[in-house]
Amino acid sequence: GNSVTQMEGPVTLSEEAFLTINCTYTATGYPSLFWYVQYPGEGLQLLLKATKADDKGSNKGFEATYRKETTSFHLEKGSVQVSDSAVYFCALSDQGTYKYIFGTGTRLKVLA
Amino acid sequence: DVKVTQSSRYLVKRTGEKVFLECVQDMDHENMFWYRQDPGLGLRLIYFSYDVKMKEKGDIPEGYSVSREKKERFSLILESASTNQTSMYLCASGPGGAHFGDGTRLSIL
Repeated sequence: GNSVTQMEGPVTLSEEAFLTINCTYTATGYPSLFWYVQYPGEGLQLLLKATKADDKGSNKGFEATYRKETTSFHLEKGSVQVSDSAVYFCALSDQGTYKYIFGTGTRLKVLA
Repeated sequence: DVKVTQSSRYLVKRTGEKVFLECVQDMDHENMFWYRQDPGLGLRLIYFSYDVKMKEKGDIPEGYSVSREKKERFSLILESASTNQTSMYLCASGPGGAHFGDGTRLSIL
């Protein structure tokens, strides 16, 4: 079945460091891919998405490119801030059923 | 902006009780979802609905049921609450990316 695998956390970085959070997926067909962010005590917020191969999603300085050849959707940001500290989830939408399948989440901690 | 509202942020119930979690969305979305979130396990789909009165089991439906009598409202029901159902419950609606409510942290004592 469809699945999403993302790197284990926590990831600890200094402010202004470069961020990469790896995400790979297994899916039949052509799913849409998403990154969500969850701040402490809150629900998940959609951060960015890509709906087809080679699409790049971007928002708030974060970006991710849909790579079909490597089945990956890695999240990157050039310069992280303390306010980016949160849990990040990679997800895909099942093309046939419209279900959303999530990875286990990666906690990011940014130190001042 | 899409707004998904869950009726309670925190809830404490006793084992054996019947528990109702309510979720309302304001964007006329056809698809609605209930997930539970547990440390180390990410989000697991309990049930989803793609239309009024239509529902499908997700990955962990045991011990739960759902109701969707109106398009904007999707209820999760714990038929007889047990301690292993203590968790964070998240409702979402779609399409175009799941839009989440703030979650209900449910404790079963």
